[in-house]
Amino acid sequence: EAGVAQSPRYKIIEKRQSVAFWCNPISGHATLYWYQQILGQGPKLLIQFQNNGVVDDSQLPKDRFSAERLKGVDSTLKIQPAKLEDSAVYLCASSLGVGSSYEQYFGPGTRLTVT
Amino acid sequence: AQSVSQHNHHVILSEAASLELGCNYSYGGTVNLFWYVQYPGQHLQLLLKYFSGDPLVKGIKGFEAEFIKSKFSFNLRKPSVQWSDTAEYFCAVNAKNQGGKLIFGQGTELSVKP
Repeated sequence: EAGVAQSPRYKIIEKRQSVAFWCNPISGHATLYWYQQILGQGPKLLIQFQNNGVVDDSQLPKDRFSAERLKGVDSTLKIQPAKLEDSAVYLCASSLGVGSSYEQYFGPGTRLTVT
Repeated sequence: AQSVSQHNHHVILSEAASLELGCNYSYGGTVNLFWYVQYPGQHLQLLLKYFSGDPLVKGIKGFEAEFIKSKFSFNLRKPSVQWSDTAEYFCAVNAKNQGGKLIFGQGTELSVKP
């Protein structure tokens, strides 16, 4: 079974530039999560999708971050414009359904450096 | 607001030593509890989980954790660590009325000396 795929693996941009990350979940997984992991901290949920609908985006900085999951499969997370404090690893995870009884499978992450 | 606290940022042990990593959470309602592990260069993966029932849960690779409700704790243990256990360990909680949202602790880096 293929795992969660993410690209790019690394990205370096200057502040005020834009960046986009892509995630392809495990086939058949209805729920998709984006987490932000700042160095020295645990992952923090940014947004959760159930199919192509948003379940929770309460911690997404909506003035600069946006995410979509067209057709309920792949997802993209965008930052525009980036700030220095956005430097982090962005993790995508997927699960069969909503709720913690469904194990979340994590991708390798995209490491973003904002200079 | 929910929060998770892990007591140690970095633990260094020799092989065959016993391990206990502390985890405390702050939430008044019913929770599900998890330990995740990230080996060097690999993805985060589930080590073990507690939903209900026996508060002593066993996971992969000889790890176990005990849920003590009165102490809001979910400590991870292993009787004898191996060099291959070198990794970062994350405790996480999920409130049962909040879908799949996980709240993670800051992580504990474990280094096992051969």
